[in-house]
Amino acid sequence: DTEVTQTPKHLVMGMTNKKSLKCEQHMGHRAMYWYKQKAKKPPELMFVYSYEKLSINESVPSRFSPECPNSSLLNLHLHALQPEDSALYLCASRGQRQGRNTGELFFGEGSRLTVL
Amino acid sequence: GENVEQHPSTLSVQEGDSAVIKCTYSDSASNYFPWYKQELGKRPQLIIDIRSNVGEKKDQRIAVTLNKTAKHFSLHITETQPEDSAVYFCAASSGTYKYIFGTGTRLKVLA
Repeated sequence: DTEVTQTPKHLVMGMTNKKSLKCEQHMGHRAMYWYKQKAKKPPELMFVYSYEKLSINESVPSRFSPECPNSSLLNLHLHALQPEDSALYLCASRGQRQGRNTGELFFGEGSRLTVL
Repeated sequence: GENVEQHPSTLSVQEGDSAVIKCTYSDSASNYFPWYKQELGKRPQLIIDIRSNVGEKKDQRIAVTLNKTAKHFSLHITETQPEDSAVYFCAASSGTYKYIFGTGTRLKVLA
């Protein structure tokens, strides 16, 4: 399995809802990422987990709450979002070969979020 | 702060012609430079990368060149085909977890 799988593909939520985005990879990669991508823009880093510990939080508002239950799973919990949070949320894992970082990011297909 | 400038923002070429996209980075510690292709509605996918100890790398119709002194790196696509139409992002990393992405180039290959 050489893929990063994200669910759901599409999500519509109101500003008072609580929802979660899920990401899964079974490539044994130990660094996992959440990116936010607006239309016609590059991916914007939100969080990085390394060996299941939060390594980077790019000053993301607390209405986004990441969680890494185990080395294969990454969640992003959403609560009280704003319409401007509507975007494509991409999960990625960083490649490893023989225990060394290859540098390549493997992206999932993304979860397209619309906040009403 | 660190940034990566990417030009042009849009590029249209005739099928069979070459396309060149250029990036400039600011962080001297950058040592890994990947290029990602993102087709409409799809995930970004790595197409080629280069490390700072190499000046050029080629993979069939795609090549990347790196000038460390000038902090420039470029993507070259030869014999372009309609399926090359996509948004291309360059990025730079200094070996930490962060990747600084360029602003993207929308390439259109006209048949």
